Amino acid sequence: AQKITQTQPGMFVQEKEAVTLDCTYDTSDPSYGLFWYKQPSSGEMIFLIYQGSYDQQNATEGRYSLNFQKARKSANLVISASQLGDSAMYFCAMRELNQIMIYNQGGKLIFGQGTELSVKP
Amino acid sequence: NAGVTQTPKFQVLKTGQSMTLQCAQDMNHEYMSWYRQDPGMGLRLIHYSVGAGITDQGEVPNGYNVSRSTTEDFPLRLLSAAPSQTSVYFCASGGNEQFFGPGTRLTVL
Repeated sequence: AQKITQTQPGMFVQEKEAVTLDCTYDTSDPSYGLFWYKQPSSGEMIFLIYQGSYDQQNATEGRYSLNFQKARKSANLVISASQLGDSAMYFCAMRELNQIMIYNQGGKLIFGQGTELSVKP
Repeated sequence: NAGVTQTPKFQVLKTGQSMTLQCAQDMNHEYMSWYRQDPGMGLRLIHYSVGAGITDQGEVPNGYNVSRSTTEDFPLRLLSAAPSQTSVYFCASGGNEQFFGPGTRLTVL
């Protein structure tokens, strides 16, 4: 069965420093996608970054990068140059991509428990 | 584009009451889904749909019904509300990048 594990309930980082949020996953499917979402205190879910299991390079989106280590089944989020506005809950999620082949798009997301990041001025 | 919209934003129910949470998207996405988020937990999938007329159960479907008569709308029905259904409910649509609605905060007394 699919499983996502985020072992850091809370993290602190100094403003302008980099921070790594850990995520490990478990799946028996060779095709899958990994996601990170940000949830600020206002409650909305904001998509940050996506990594496909067959992507050769680690995904990057601005200050966000995904450190994808397939053999270790880890997909850590790295935020460079932290800003006060980065304080939020961060969720790692996974979707098995065989569902894409069957349903043409979309697919069930499995979420981790989340990591609460606090950026200190 | 409005994206994904949800109504209501807040709702208080008494045990045994029924209600429908509304979800609509204007991005022509085939895939839509409902999640619930409980304190200290990530989102859990309730039901999903891969197109009009096609729905399936997710991880926690008990106590909830869905239907999909149009591409745009995907309502979630609580048939007989229970305190265990107190949660924040999110609707989502899309492919690789799934767009989430703003959420509905439901309290069942």
